[in-house]
Amino acid sequence: NAGVTQTPKFRILKIGQSMTLQCTQDMNHNYMYWYRQDPGMGLKLIYYSVGAGITDKGEVPNGYNVSRSTTEDFPLRLELAAPSQTSVYFCASSTGTRRETQYFGPGTRLLVL
Amino acid sequence: GENVEQHPSTLSVQEGDSAVIKCTYSDSASNYFPWYKQELGKRPQLIIDIRSNVGEKKDQRIAVTLNKTAKHFSLHITETQPEDSAVYFCAASMGGGYSTLTFGKGTMLLVSP
Repeated sequence: NAGVTQTPKFRILKIGQSMTLQCTQDMNHNYMYWYRQDPGMGLKLIYYSVGAGITDKGEVPNGYNVSRSTTEDFPLRLELAAPSQTSVYFCASSTGTRRETQYFGPGTRLLVL
Repeated sequence: GENVEQHPSTLSVQEGDSAVIKCTYSDSASNYFPWYKQELGKRPQLIIDIRSNVGEKKDQRIAVTLNKTAKHFSLHITETQPEDSAVYFCAASMGGGYSTLTFGKGTMLLVSP
């Protein structure tokens, strides 16, 4: 199993540009999450999904959108990128049984200039 | 919503010493408390967790204690080694349903040889 994979690893965006961060898991996990990590601020939940077709907002959803058309994929869309979105983005997944244990992807480092 | 406070933000110890990281949470309904370790440039990984029906849990050199009355839990690392150097995050969750994790801001542990 590859676990949770994310692409790209690093990206530089100009202000106002859009992009999609990809996340895929091959563990057949129902639950998937997107976090952002800013220095000294821990992990903040952006969006999460409890299954295909079901998504919900986390603590910091503004400026982001998500979709969940399959169990495996959970892309995060940034519209009109802003410098405040410069961060490291982590995708995570967990099972439906012991759902609280989350497995993280390697992260995407995003710089908005 | 849940709020998790973590202290200290940085902790420096000598190899072989013990290290203690403390967290408090606000929602008395929380019943699951994991700890994640994040090495520099890597993804967070679960190292130990505890549920509210247990007061203490050990795994080799690491242990977690939980005081539900005071709403705080702690990570204890004994006989620290340089490879324990990392950022440690505590988190809390109400568990079940569509619960999500709320993370503390992290503690940077530095173990000097």
